[in-house]
Amino acid sequence: DTGVSQDPRHKITKRGQNVTFRCDPISEHNRLYWYRQTLGQGPEFLTYFQNEAQLEKSRLLSDRFSAERPKGSFSTLEIQRTEQGDSAMYLCASSQGVPDTQYFGPGTRLTVL
Amino acid sequence: EDKVVQSPLSLVVHEGDTVTLNCSYEVTNFRSLLWYKQEKKAPTFLFMLTSSGIEKKSGRLSSILDKKELFSILNITATQTGDSAVYLCAVQSGGSNYKLTFGKGTLLTVNP
Repeated sequence: DTGVSQDPRHKITKRGQNVTFRCDPISEHNRLYWYRQTLGQGPEFLTYFQNEAQLEKSRLLSDRFSAERPKGSFSTLEIQRTEQGDSAMYLCASSQGVPDTQYFGPGTRLTVL
Repeated sequence: EDKVVQSPLSLVVHEGDTVTLNCSYEVTNFRSLLWYKQEKKAPTFLFMLTSSGIEKKSGRLSSILDKKELFSILNITATQTGDSAVYLCAVQSGGSNYKLTFGKGTLLTVNP
């Protein structure tokens, strides 16, 4: 499978715990995005990487959220001290070139109890 | 701030019907408009539109963009139960960030 992959697919955690998600983009895609989707809403942009550089973060991304993309390949999204409001589907997408067509991974569904 | 409004929010039709989904947008520096299909999992890419008046077509699905009136439509002819999904519209603005701004989506239910 050469698409975008995400791990884990589901995560249940208790409030206050830290969680980390991983995204592996399509090979050689230099752009990588994280989005968050809650029930009944479209995905909302969180952050964007071009290669290893994090170029933009949404104001939705509080200080408890951090994302990295070492060496411009896979990316991780960490949420510290999780809150119930963090419960959502976390989607990763990757793209390359112009026009920029973003392809999404299967997502990680986070449930904070 | 970029904004996307989709209508209707939900739609129920019978197999064989033709449906039209609407997407209007406000964007500071338009780059492209994209349509995705989401079936309880990740959004699947359908179309990217960048120029007005040029129809994109794939099988029973087609889409067109009007950059003057700031809207796009997605048509599905001869609907099938497998077309049941949420259809998402997103706009991409210019600049160095290629982020997408999505609407809430249209939930299409096709009954046999």
